[in-house]
Amino acid sequence: NAGVTQTPKFRVLKTGQSMTLLCAQDMNHEYMYWYRQDPGMGLRLIHYSVGEGTTAKGEVPDGYNVSRLKKQNFLLGLESAAPSQTSVYFCASGATTGELFFGEGSRLTVL
Amino acid sequence: AQSVTQPDIHITVSEGASLELRCNYSYGATPYLFWYVQSPGQGLQLLLKYFSGDTLVQGIKGFEAEFKRSQSSFNLRKPSVHWSDAAEYFCAYDNQAGTALIFGKGTTLSVSS
Repeated sequence: NAGVTQTPKFRVLKTGQSMTLLCAQDMNHEYMYWYRQDPGMGLRLIHYSVGEGTTAKGEVPDGYNVSRLKKQNFLLGLESAAPSQTSVYFCASGATTGELFFGEGSRLTVL
Repeated sequence: AQSVTQPDIHITVSEGASLELRCNYSYGATPYLFWYVQSPGQGLQLLLKYFSGDTLVQGIKGFEAEFKRSQSSFNLRKPSVHWSDAAEYFCAYDNQAGTALIFGKGTTLSVSS
């Protein structure tokens, strides 16, 4: 049972480049989330989805877009990467908002 | 605005000693509260949760937490710490819509031998 899988796990971008992070879950969860983790800042919610075809903004949505075309996948896009988006990104899913299952993280560096 | 605060950035505890990690909340009504743990290089794992009812909740790995409305706190405790408990611990609450978790900034626990 894979749980929550994030790809890629590591990526280096140049300022202005675009990329997409993919999150896939095999637990048939309705809720999916993207967080970013920065030293001293904890985890901050970027965007989330409460079901297929829905998305909503979190605490720090600027500079990111998301899509949930299939229930099992939640994509996080950066259209024009900036150094401030250097971070570790975590995807999570859950049948409820309380018990979330996390991926292992994707480390993004923007030069 | 609702929030959780973890006052301690870093705590060091001797192996076998007791542990208490603090979490204070600011919330209009009784919140749903959670503690998660993150081992180095890993994602987060749920330790325990409080929705209502009994204010002392038991979790996995021997952890417990007590909800104290009078102190607006939800502190995490463990009677005897093991070296494998070294990790980062996050307190969290649900947002007002009940659709997402908002995390505190975390407390890093180091365990000394």
